[in-house]
Amino acid sequence: DAMVIQNPRYQVTQFGKPVTLSCSQTLNHNVMYWYQQKSSQAPKLLFHYYDKDFNNEADTPDNFQSRRPNTSFCFLDIRSPGLGDAAMYLCATSRGGTGVYEQYFGPGTRLTVT
Amino acid sequence: AQKVTQAQTEISVVEKEDVTLDCVYETRDTTYYLFWYKQPPSGELVFLIRRNSFDEQNEISGRYSWNFQKSTSSFNFTITASQVVDSAVYFCALSEAGDSNYQLIWGAGTKLIIKP
Repeated sequence: DAMVIQNPRYQVTQFGKPVTLSCSQTLNHNVMYWYQQKSSQAPKLLFHYYDKDFNNEADTPDNFQSRRPNTSFCFLDIRSPGLGDAAMYLCATSRGGTGVYEQYFGPGTRLTVT
Repeated sequence: AQKVTQAQTEISVVEKEDVTLDCVYETRDTTYYLFWYKQPPSGELVFLIRRNSFDEQNEISGRYSWNFQKSTSSFNFTITASQVVDSAVYFCALSEAGDSNYQLIWGAGTKLIIKP
């Protein structure tokens, strides 16, 4: 089945220690997204890629970076995690082109910062 | 300004009851898209429906139905004969077609609890 895969499902890191979360997709979608979701809140878009074009949301902290080496993979790097970065991180994909299409989400990575 | 309001923070019903989740949106665009997503306790967001602003037909999918009314800027979601597996947080979201950033404007979500 076509899907969005996120690894790891759970990640524990220390305060200030860099961490990388990964996402892969078999849907062959043009657009890949990274969201941060904190408890009892809606997802918050951090950035997205349309093919290789990177689009950063204005309020995404510089501490968060992303890489998309190819169509299938996308990474979220948190350079110096703070306690406030503890959250669920969701990767999603969608078709590109004219119109706005539904996004398909991975299962998420729950990040704990100690 | 774009906005999505889900006024019901939490709804609790007994299994087999019908339940309607409200979604009211604000947009200045004439072309826009509305979505519903389900987030069960496992955490994965599941796409339920996408509707564009030119298609006001109501949609039925099994026990799920959606009522889109542009006159009241609402896109409500009804579950008929609810089941325990329907327990989840449900999000309504809006995107304007001209938004090149593919930004979804999310409602705050409604937590639905189905009691056996």
